[in-house]
Formats: sequence, C-alpha cells, structure tokens
Amino acid sequence: DSGVTQTPKHLITATGQRVTLRCSPRSGDLSVYWYQQSLDQGLQFLIHYYNGEERAKGNILERFSAQQFPDLHSELNLSSLELGDSALYFCASSLDRERWLGEQYFGPGTRLTVT
Amino acid sequence: DAKTTQPTSMDCAEGRAANLPCNHSTISGNEYVYWYRQIHSQGPQYIIHGLKNNETNEMASLIITEDRKSSTLILPHATLRDTAVYYCIVRADSTGNQFYFGTGTSLTVIP
Repeated sequence: DSGVTQTPKHLITATGQRVTLRCSPRSGDLSVYWYQQSLDQGLQFLIHYYNGEERAKGNILERFSAQQFPDLHSELNLSSLELGDSALYFCASSLDRERWLGEQYFGPGTRLTVT
Repeated sequence: DAKTTQPTSMDCAEGRAANLPCNHSTISGNEYVYWYRQIHSQGPQYIIHGLKNNETNEMASLIITEDRKSSTLILPHATLRDTAVYYCIVRADSTGNQFYFGTGTSLTVIP
C-alpha cells in the first residue's frame, strides 16, 4: 500500500460525458502527478501540481483539466469523453522538498471505460 | 529529459540475479537515473534512483557507469513476484520536469 488513494476504482460512462477522478496523496506529500495508461500509448504523464500550483504539463488534452485543493487532494476532470479516453488513470505523489524530487508513490489507479 | 533504451523483454531463473540494462547516452549532468516497476495493472512502484554513485537498498542495486551513459538494475535473488515491467527513467532534479516512462523491459522470472 503506497498511501495514495484514488476513487473511484472503476468508472463506466458514455461518450460525450464528463467525469471526475479523485486522488488523495500520501500524508505530507505536496506534489501530485497524473498519468494515463492506455494499451497503445503506455504510461503518459499528464500534469503535475505542487502545493496547489500547476508545475508541469505533459500530453494533456484540452478536454482534460486538473486542480489541487488546499488540503492537497487533487481532481482530474475529463469532459466530452471519447472512446479513446478509455484507460487506466494513475495519480502519484511525492514530497518534493525544494529541488529534491525523490521518488513518486503511485495509487492503485482508476479504470475508465467509455462506451 | 534524456531518452532511455531498454530491451523489450528478459527472462530470469528464480533465485538468480536479474540484471536489467538501460542506455541513456544523452544524459545530462544534472539528471538522475530512476527505476520503477509495474506489476500487471497495478500502479508503478519506485525501486531506486541515483546520480553518479552506485546505490543499494532493500529491493535492488543500481550500477551506473563512470561516463553515466548506461546503468544496470540488479535484483539479487529474483522471485516470481518480481515478474513485472521495469522502467528506466532519467530526469533532472528539478520540479517542473516530466517523467517519461518509455516502454520498459518486461521481466519474467521462471520457476
């Protein structure tokens, strides 16, 4: 158990819909990262938040957005869903003490199926 | 961030050492080498990281060549539970940099 929690575990929805994935980082971790893993794309970095501020963006679509709240939990919002958005979505957290990055701790993931 | 090259797959006999190579010939001086693994569809798990010196922890050892252009992850006594995809990543020690996982090496530990 990494200490990172993600909800829901599974999500099935239709094309065109909007969903919100939630992540709670390990206690004390200030950074949250979101990743998408699909069968044909591998593990793709989406976005990184540190203490409520966006720090880096990866291959995140404009239809997707994220935020990190004052209690440090994060939400990933996916809208206008397409079949190709079906994937495992992982959240990771790390301490990120100034310039030392250290390791990331991954949650169990949310499996999104768009039908 | 520097790119990494890993073999697609490897086998290792149970109880033997598993040596997983990684090439990162374009690595910069401020980039660390990280290793993660992913067992089936679980979240990736951090294994070890290093900058220049060899590192060892309870899970594995990391050997980095003197020119830092390649590294080897060593699992000293592989077990069936070590069957996973192993990712070698290089990343600068700075927030705001991305993590590129690449395709990794699928390690199968054979009984």
